[in-house]
Amino acid sequence: KAGVTQTPRYLIKTRGQQVTLSCSPISGHRSVSWYQQTPGQGLQFLFEYFSETQRNKGNFPGRFSGRQFSNSRSEMNVSTLELGDSALYLCASSFEGTNTEAFFGQGTRLTVV
Amino acid sequence: KNEVEQSPQNLTAQEGEFITINCSYSVGISALHWLQQHPGGGIVSLFMLSSGKKKHGRLIATINIQEKHSSLHITASHPRDSAVYICAVSIQGAQKLVFGQGTRLTINP
Repeated sequence: KAGVTQTPRYLIKTRGQQVTLSCSPISGHRSVSWYQQTPGQGLQFLFEYFSETQRNKGNFPGRFSGRQFSNSRSEMNVSTLELGDSALYLCASSFEGTNTEAFFGQGTRLTVV
Repeated sequence: KNEVEQSPQNLTAQEGEFITINCSYSVGISALHWLQQHPGGGIVSLFMLSSGKKKHGRLIATINIQEKHSSLHITASHPRDSAVYICAVSIQGAQKLVFGQGTRLTINP
């Protein structure tokens, strides 16, 4: 059974640009969650999608957005990048949501210069 | 005060020692997760608990819902157990994980 796949693994962007990250969940999983990890703030919840619906969103500015497609694949977008957006972005898939076992991808390391 | 607190933040031990990492939370939860993160970033789910105790190999996780406390134990620790261990809770009624700050464990041979 294939694991959770995140692409790209590494990304360097310039301030002001936008970026799109992709997450393909484990087959059969309908929930995808996104998290940001930084040395200062640790892991923080961004949003959770289930069957194409956003069920919850963390305390991040509107520049952070996401969506989920009918095949459960999910994308997150960050517009007008700031230096502080440099982080490891992780997605996790699960069968029903965060009260079921989560399987994490390897993450996308975003560097904003 | 953080909703999820882990202790200790750093732990160094000798191979073979019994390890305990603690997690306390202050919110209503539907489940608690113990995660392992190695250098490079990948996170692996070790346990998901909503009550009682679970065991997998040398790892044991317990949770006390009344006291809002969970522990992760490693028996016969080995250098390959060196990693960051993270406690995360699924908030009751919300599809959201809140994380502790992690415990950096180093096991010396």
